[in-house]
Amino acid sequence: DAGVIQSPRHEVTEMGQEVTLRCKPISGHNSLFWYRQTMMRGLELLIYFNNNVPIDDSGMPEDRFSAKMPNASFSTLKIQPSEPRDSAVYFCASSSDRGRVNYGYTFGSGTRLTVV
Amino acid sequence: AQSVAQPEDQVNVAEGNPLTVKCTYSVSGNPYLFWYVQYPNRGLQFLLKYITGDNLVKGSYGFEAEFNKSQTSFHLKKPSALVSDSALYFCAVNKGTGFQKLVFGTGTRLLVSP
Repeated sequence: DAGVIQSPRHEVTEMGQEVTLRCKPISGHNSLFWYRQTMMRGLELLIYFNNNVPIDDSGMPEDRFSAKMPNASFSTLKIQPSEPRDSAVYFCASSSDRGRVNYGYTFGSGTRLTVV
Repeated sequence: AQSVAQPEDQVNVAEGNPLTVKCTYSVSGNPYLFWYVQYPNRGLQFLLKYITGDNLVKGSYGFEAEFNKSQTSFHLKKPSALVSDSALYFCAVNKGTGFQKLVFGTGTRLLVSP
């Protein structure tokens, strides 16, 4: 299994530009999570999906952030317009709760976003 | 609401000495508990989990953790630390019944000196 795949690994963009981060979860996993990690705030859950449906987006910082999961094998996190304070490492994770037991997450390697 | 606390921002230990990284949790019902490790410029990697059964759980890289229900703790331990164990460690909890998101602690940086 290739694990959770995120792209790009690094993204540098100018303030005001649109940024799209991509995630391919592990095949067969039915839950997907987007996290943001910064030195100041640690690991923050932005949004998570279960069976492609957004369950909790209370962690999305503001309307500039949006996430979609059009099918079980792909998700995007979009920031429009981007701001320097959005600079962080963004992680995607997936898990399976089939059988009503959650055995934890598998994380991707992250996307390091720098907004200048 | 469920939560975890990692009271130490950093733990320093000499190579070869035992190490402990502390975690306490708060959750209604029976918890599912996890430890993850993050190496520089990498994603979080699963170390071990407690679901049910034996309170002492053994995981990857020689790590183990002990579930203590009366103290609501799940401390991570290793008998003999290696320099390569230096990383950021996260404790996490899940209610375990039905689907629930994992709640992560703030992380503890472990530094193992040669």
